[in-house]
Amino acid sequence: KAGVTQTPRYLIKTRGQQVTLSCSPISGHRSVSWYQQTPGQGLQFLFEYFSETQRNKGNFPGRFSGRQFSNSRSEMNVSTLELGDSALYLCASSWGQEIYGYTFGSGTRLTVV
Amino acid sequence: GQQLNQSPQSMFIQEGEDVSMNCTSSSIFNTWLWYKQDPGEGPVLLIALYKAGELTSNGRLTAQFGITRKDSFLNISASIPSDVGIYFCAGPRHSGYALNFGKGTSLLVTP
Repeated sequence: KAGVTQTPRYLIKTRGQQVTLSCSPISGHRSVSWYQQTPGQGLQFLFEYFSETQRNKGNFPGRFSGRQFSNSRSEMNVSTLELGDSALYLCASSWGQEIYGYTFGSGTRLTVV
Repeated sequence: GQQLNQSPQSMFIQEGEDVSMNCTSSSIFNTWLWYKQDPGEGPVLLIALYKAGELTSNGRLTAQFGITRKDSFLNISASIPSDVGIYFCAGPRHSGYALNFGKGTSLLVTP
């Protein structure tokens, strides 16, 4: 079965621009979570969606937002990009209640210049 | 808080050696998870632990859930080159539906 698909794999943006990243979960999975991974801070939780509702949010500024569609696909948006937003953005999906059921995608590598 | 302190930060070993890494927290966890991340990929779950004192194996990997519920250990026996990667411990956030991760242990194995 297909895994978690994240698009695009690589992205280069300029400071001040905005960006939208996409995540298609494993078929049947209703929960999608987003994480930011940087060398300095490691993996940090951004937000989690289940059936189009945000259930949990990490400690990130309001420039980071997300949404989930009725087919469980999710997007995250970062507005007014800063150099420090350069990171690997990982999406994980699961059936819904069990965190150990996470399957991660390969991530989107965002570089802000 | 729920910060996870993982050590060592990196390890450079020879093929065939055994490896040990650990993770500690000031908070109690009800679940400990160990992930491995290969270059260019997302983390993959290796072992999940649900009970204090639990010892679980997955092939050459063995993990233990500490009695205090504030620590966990991962051992890899007879390492091979494909064990190269970053190993992360993780535990559930108090707010639920998400994980806190350690900073990772980078493992390099030379033939």
